[in-house]
Amino acid sequence: QTVVTQEPSFSVSPGGTVTLTCGLSSGSVSTSYYPSWYQQTPGQAPRTLIYNTNTRSSGVPDRFSGSILGNKAALTITGAQADDESDYYCVLYMGSGICVFGTGTKVTVL
Amino acid sequence: QVQLQESGPGLVKPSQTLSLTCTVSGGSISSGDYYWSWIRQPPGKGLEWIGYIFSNGNTYYSPSLKSRVTMLVDTSKNQFSLKLSSVTAADTAVYYCVRYENHRSKYYFDYWGQGTLVTVSS
Repeated sequence: QTVVTQEPSFSVSPGGTVTLTCGLSSGSVSTSYYPSWYQQTPGQAPRTLIYNTNTRSSGVPDRFSGSILGNKAALTITGAQADDESDYYCVLYMGSGICVFGTGTKVTVL
Repeated sequence: QVQLQESGPGLVKPSQTLSLTCTVSGGSISSGDYYWSWIRQPPGKGLEWIGYIFSNGNTYYSPSLKSRVTMLVDTSKNQFSLKLSSVTAADTAVYYCVRYENHRSKYYFDYWGQGTLVTVSS
């Protein structure tokens, strides 16, 4: 069973930068996994932030950016704002029609 | 603007079958570019992909749930549905229906329903 791992939590100061990662229990993440990222605040449906590694979804501020860092997918928030305090999930496309969600990262802005 | 709306019982007894329907508006479910998905989230936990269905009825299911999941599509009503059999308390979750873009090398969930809580309890 493939496990997609994310840091459980991060804390960032307002105006600061934080990079979240999305890795595989075995193997490296590449653009071939078409990593995407989603933001979720309590009680709300997730919102799409990034797809195809680094393409921002419509209306997403440019302080959110996606990349591959080493052997993981990464989501960087530059100039964090209070309303960025949320849970963040990555998704990897594993091929053969299978998707796997990451374990999620809770970001606190304080 | 595409909108998705889940509907179905909010309470299901253990060992029974959970049934949900998603109604799509603002776009045709028969569009060849999208898969129609179900994703769930147990209270206080992370998101889990259940599976998706194409307009021609082709399905892809999570390996961990495959033995209990059935998805169907009704293009005449612009709806798709989820059935999850032999439910237990572990199946208690918010269930989301979501559109999945799958064309021109794009693979991502783009439009989400608001979600519906299904509780498994006697």
